[in-house]
Amino acid sequence: QKEVEQNSGPLSVPEGAIASLNCTYSDRGSQSFFWYRQYSGKSPELIMSIYSNGDKEDGRFTAQLNKASQYVSLLIRDSQPSDSATYLCAVRSIYNFNKFYFGSGTKLNVKP
Amino acid sequence: DAGVIQSPRHEVTEMGQEVTLRCKPISGHDYLFWYRQTMMRGLELLIYFNNNVPIDDSGMPEDRFSAKMPNASFSTLKIQPSEPRDSAVYFCASSRGGTFFGQGTRLTVV
Repeated sequence: QKEVEQNSGPLSVPEGAIASLNCTYSDRGSQSFFWYRQYSGKSPELIMSIYSNGDKEDGRFTAQLNKASQYVSLLIRDSQPSDSATYLCAVRSIYNFNKFYFGSGTKLNVKP
Repeated sequence: DAGVIQSPRHEVTEMGQEVTLRCKPISGHDYLFWYRQTMMRGLELLIYFNNNVPIDDSGMPEDRFSAKMPNASFSTLKIQPSEPRDSAVYFCASSRGGTFFGQGTRLTVV
């Protein structure tokens, strides 16, 4: 079992809709979770981090964490074509503070 | 700061040849990471350094891979000999708190 699992997509949503991206992780003791956005041919860039159960909002982005169910999600409200990218979920190792496990990413397409 | 700088951006080489990828981290960052990204395996950590010292190389796939960080502003990842299955995008990242990725080197081994 991989440490971090994501549906590869593509996930297609119309412009203005809410895009919901999901991620599950295997290590129940994990404490730190991150969402990266990666445009085609570009490097990953950090957009959100979350450490506590519940929701964390930053502009149009909301990260949700449920440690009991071992899943993390990212909601993008009012989706824009510029949000079209691959979204990577990352989980920090509980044994090594500097080691992160990445999911394979979910490709999001926002259609005008 | 210009960010993490990697070179070359693209590399095409023949199987069996030596390949060297280069990275200049962000000044002041004390951690440097080398990742490999493929469609099949996603983003994998190969090795990371702290203050120029290799800390964890458990992700290095084989002895054909080696990495060095001779000083705080430069690191290399070498593959010798290269094989077609090494074809991937290799990212260097540096960190002091937050992690920032370079633009990557797309390696194609034919």
